[in-house]
Amino acid sequence: AQKITQTQPGMFVQEKEAVTLDCTYDTSDPSYGLFWYKQPSSGEMIFLIYQGSYDQQNATEGRYSLNFQKARKSANLVISASQLGDSAMYFCAMRGKGGGADGLTFGKGTHLIIQP
Amino acid sequence: NAGVTQTPKFQVLKTGQSMTLQCAQDMNHEYMSWYRQDPGMGLRLIHYSVGAGITDQGEVPNGYNVSRSTTEDFPLRLLSAAPSQTSVYFCASRDNGVSGNTIYFGEGSWLTVV
Repeated sequence: AQKITQTQPGMFVQEKEAVTLDCTYDTSDPSYGLFWYKQPSSGEMIFLIYQGSYDQQNATEGRYSLNFQKARKSANLVISASQLGDSAMYFCAMRGKGGGADGLTFGKGTHLIIQP
Repeated sequence: NAGVTQTPKFQVLKTGQSMTLQCAQDMNHEYMSWYRQDPGMGLRLIHYSVGAGITDQGEVPNGYNVSRSTTEDFPLRLLSAAPSQTSVYFCASRDNGVSGNTIYFGEGSWLTVV
């Protein structure tokens, strides 16, 4: 079975600081994908970044980067120069073939609050 | 550019009633899925489909039925609503090609069962 663990229920960060949101995963699949989503208070799920298990380089998308450490089974999200609009819930998720389901397994999320 | 459209956005049901949450996508995606999100939790997979006529169960399928008669539509049916089904429901889709790592979510449907 696949499992995603996010150990930070909530974080307070000062505006313009860098933020690291932790994510560890467990899977027996050799091929998998890791995702980060942002969910603002309005409720929609916004895709941020994707990392494939065979990708050699860490994924980057603008201010977002994914610190992928395969041996440690971790996929931390790094947000550089945080902004007030970054305040939201952040979910780490994994897609693989575990259990035959081609869906995403989500962590419980981290509530990030950016303070001015 | 509609993307993934869910209806209704809000619904209140009485225990034992049945209803259907509609999901439609206009991107010709093969993969569609339904998730539920409970307070303090991430999304959990209910059912998914890898193409028209093919559906399968996810992590929490009990109490829900799905069908996929067309590529565009993937309705979720609650047969006899229970208070435990009070949740926010998300429909998602992706294609099976190179860009299949981008999963598109609908805006969510807030369901309350009283």
